[in-house]
Amino acid sequence: EVQLVESGGGLVQPGGSLRLSCAASGFIFSTYSMNWVRQAPGKGLEWVSYISGGGSTIYYADSVKGRFTISRDNAKNSLYLQINSLRDEDTAVYYCGIVGGIWGQGTMVTVSS
Amino acid sequence: DIQMTQSPSSLSASVGDRVTITCRASQSISSYLHWYQQKPGKAPKLLIYAASSLQSGVPSRFSGSGSGTDFTLTISSLQPEDFATYYCQQSDSTPFTFGPGTKVDIK
Repeated sequence: EVQLVESGGGLVQPGGSLRLSCAASGFIFSTYSMNWVRQAPGKGLEWVSYISGGGSTIYYADSVKGRFTISRDNAKNSLYLQINSLRDEDTAVYYCGIVGGIWGQGTMVTVSS
Repeated sequence: DIQMTQSPSSLSASVGDRVTITCRASQSISSYLHWYQQKPGKAPKLLIYAASSLQSGVPSRFSGSGSGTDFTLTISSLQPEDFATYYCQQSDSTPFTFGPGTKVDIK
């Protein structure tokens, strides 16, 4: 069964950091480009970041550039998102997935003092 | 950046109705357009990829059409489980923008 499972979310103070993880199974992870998208409470979906299958090509949304870092470990079938300098507006459910494909169940990040 | 718009933003329909949702891109995206269904508290679920290809396991009452800038998602006969929010997303170029969503609820 093709599956993506996110973890690492939580409550963090403004200016803090978190590392989100996404564990993939059921497909050849290294052959797929991966993405993070997020959804603030009651809002629509926002694309956040992209990484190619080999990890050599990376893109970010302007809203997170310089603060978020996407990475992957194909040996561990895992995708990561390091999020630094968190702001109130980063509060959202973060989903990992494949554009035009499957998405995980999400992990909640809450930024609050 | 490519801007995506959807219409309507919401609609009320009855079981058995034919429903059409439109998605428009601010510039040509060929067929790099995907449709998702999302229910409250759940992850987006892929319905249609590459504008018109039905994802495996998705009922055949869902269909997609279009290319370039104008796209349509059609539900031929609305079922109770179809009440949800629908999003389009383009993958022609980053940022891979989503439309604002269309909420389909019960009339």
